[in-house]
Amino acid sequence: KAGVTQTPRYLIKTRGQQVTLSCSPISGHRSVSWYQQTPGQGLQFLFEYFSETQRNKGNFPGRFSGRQFSNSRSEMNVSTLELGDSALYLCASSWGGSSYEQYFGPGTRLTVT
Amino acid sequence: GESVGLHLPTLSVQEGDNSIINCAYSNSASDYFIWYKQESGKGPQFIIDIRSNMDKRQGQRVTVLLNKTVKHLSLQIAATQPGDSAVYFCAENLPYAGGTSYGKLTFGQGTILTVHP
Repeated sequence: KAGVTQTPRYLIKTRGQQVTLSCSPISGHRSVSWYQQTPGQGLQFLFEYFSETQRNKGNFPGRFSGRQFSNSRSEMNVSTLELGDSALYLCASSWGGSSYEQYFGPGTRLTVT
Repeated sequence: GESVGLHLPTLSVQEGDNSIINCAYSNSASDYFIWYKQESGKGPQFIIDIRSNMDKRQGQRVTVLLNKTVKHLSLQIAATQPGDSAVYFCAENLPYAGGTSYGKLTFGQGTILTVHP
C-alpha cells in the first residue's frame, strides 16, 4: 500500500508570494493533518481535515489555510509569505473518526527568500 | 504545551547497547501517546503507540512505558543498531471530544540518538 505523498518536495519562494502544497493520504484514510516543523519551534499542528471539513485548527495566522477534496487529498495554502514561513511542512493521514494513529509523508521543504 | 526545539537532548550509545529515551508529556488528560523516528530529510516514521489504559507495550525491539502519575513516557530500544540513529519524538493526543483535539498530536522537543559502531 502506498504511503503518504507530498508534492512538491522542495520549493523556493519570495516574500509576499503565495504557495500551495499538496498531500495525498494513504488509500482509505479520510483524515489529513498538517504540521509545520522548524528548528526553533519543532513540530506544530496547523489544521486537520476529515471528509472535506476542517475539524481542528492550530494557532497560526489566517494566511495559512487548507482544504480537502472528496478523494481525501488535501492542499494547504500560505499567502503573503514571510521569511519565518521557511520550514518543513508535513502532512499526516489517519483513518479518522476515533483513530489517532497518524502516518507522515516526507514533507515539503519551503524556503522563503 | 507546544514543542520547543532550540536544544535537543542527545543520547550516544554503542552498537548492541540498549537505549532509553525519555519524554515528559504536558497534559494529564491525554489518552494516547506515540513515538516517532525521524531521519534526516524524511518525515516522522511511526514506531509504537500506547493508550492511557496501559502502562507498557512491546513491539519488535522496542518497548514503550507510560507512567501517568508523573506524566512520563519512555522508549526502550533493545540491541541498538547504527540504523537507529535519528531524532526520536514523543507525541500525545487528547480524547476526541469537543472538537479541539481532532487530528492534533502535540509533539515533544525530540531526542537525538547516535549509535556508534
